[in-house]
Amino acid sequence: EIVLTQSPDFQSVTPKEKVTITCRASQSIGSSLHWFQQKPDQSPKLLIKYASQSFSGVPSRFSGSGSGTDFTLTINSLEAEDAATYYCRQSSSFPWTFGQGTKVEIK
Amino acid sequence: EVQLVESGGGLVQPGGSLRLSCAASGFTFSTYWMHWVRQAPGKGLVWVSRINSGGSSTNYADSVKGRFTISRDNAKNTLYLQMNSLRAEDTAVYYCARAYDMDVWGKGTTVTVSS
Repeated sequence: EIVLTQSPDFQSVTPKEKVTITCRASQSIGSSLHWFQQKPDQSPKLLIKYASQSFSGVPSRFSGSGSGTDFTLTINSLEAEDAATYYCRQSSSFPWTFGQGTKVEIK
Repeated sequence: EVQLVESGGGLVQPGGSLRLSCAASGFTFSTYWMHWVRQAPGKGLVWVSRINSGGSSTNYADSVKGRFTISRDNAKNTLYLQMNSLRAEDTAVYYCARAYDMDVWGKGTTVTVSS
């Protein structure tokens, strides 16, 4: 099973600040890495697919990069509505796995 | 509008069974992979199972293999998860999600396994 480790687990950020969340895979997964956002009491939403492809309708301040084992989700100029938990997920091999999540709080 | 609506959750005793349903609308259900993902209270997301568009291929997380069965009825635009031999650790909100990308999610249905 491929283990995804996100860092940090928690981040408290002021509006307009830049946020960087990393996801490290226990083995190479190419670009089969996707990012989701889950706000409190809501279902997850797809943000980025295949490491760097923005999903339709996602604000341009969200971007993804990386390949192999190291991936990054960047939120440029954080807005209050971005308070959420962010998860990475791999689709390189079954069982598909999620990272443990990174909670982003607005100061 | 593309929509997924889960149902069938509830309170069940350990060792019991439950069948979840996910009703799809607004898209051609029969052409998409479908998934079940769960989230225990206060915990992260866990992929549970996946089925291909025709229903001929399935995969499961090790934690549910042999106890859970995913299936679909493309004529009824509905995805199912049959859950047997339920354990306390299966307590979670269960979501269905569409496609390889998981680009559409339902609101979830809550399963509580407790005596």
